[in-house]
Amino acid sequence: EIVLTQSPGTLSLSLGERATLSCRASQSISSTYLAWYQQKPGQAPRLLIYGASSRATGIPDRFSGSGSGTDFTLTISRLEPEDSAVYFCQQYGNSPFTFGPGTKVDIK
Amino acid sequence: EVQLVESGGSLVQPGGSLRLSCAASGFTFSNYEMNWVRQAPGKGLEWVSYISSSGSPIYYADSVKGRFTISRDNAKNSLYLQMNSLRAEDTAVYFCAKGYCSGGSCYAGDYWGQGTLVTVSS
Repeated sequence: EIVLTQSPGTLSLSLGERATLSCRASQSISSTYLAWYQQKPGQAPRLLIYGASSRATGIPDRFSGSGSGTDFTLTISRLEPEDSAVYFCQQYGNSPFTFGPGTKVDIK
Repeated sequence: EVQLVESGGSLVQPGGSLRLSCAASGFTFSNYEMNWVRQAPGKGLEWVSYISSSGSPIYYADSVKGRFTISRDNAKNSLYLQMNSLRAEDTAVYFCAKGYCSGGSCYAGDYWGQGTLVTVSS
């Protein structure tokens, strides 16, 4: 099983600041199979990034993804109030298709 | 408009059974793989099961293997999750999600239902 570790657990930043979220895999993953999701309280997850760096339909360009192998990053370039949420990475290449534990982004 | 609507969640006793359904509309259901993902109260996301567009292959998380069965009826645009031998730790909101994997783009869900709550308790 591929274990995904996300850091930090919580990120507290101000409006307009840059957020950098990390997702580390226990073994190498093809970039094709790494996705990021955003989830707000009481809502279903929302696909942000797939293929490690491709934005899903309708996702603002302040969200970007990068990385390869075992280290992946989600960057939010300028935080907006609506970006307050929990962000999960997931690998979809090898069953079980594991999620990371999530990073909570708080807007100060 | 793509819509996924889960149903079937309820309170059930430990050892009991439940069948969840996910009604799909707004896309050609038979062309897409589907996933079940669950979220225990206050916890993160846990992938539960996958079924391909044709019904095979099928994959399960170790935590549900042998107890849960995923299936689909492409004629009815519906996805199912039969859950047997339920345990307290199966208590969660269960989401169905429309997956995709082709041409270098793969993900478990670009569309998700609103979820259905399963509570396992005596």
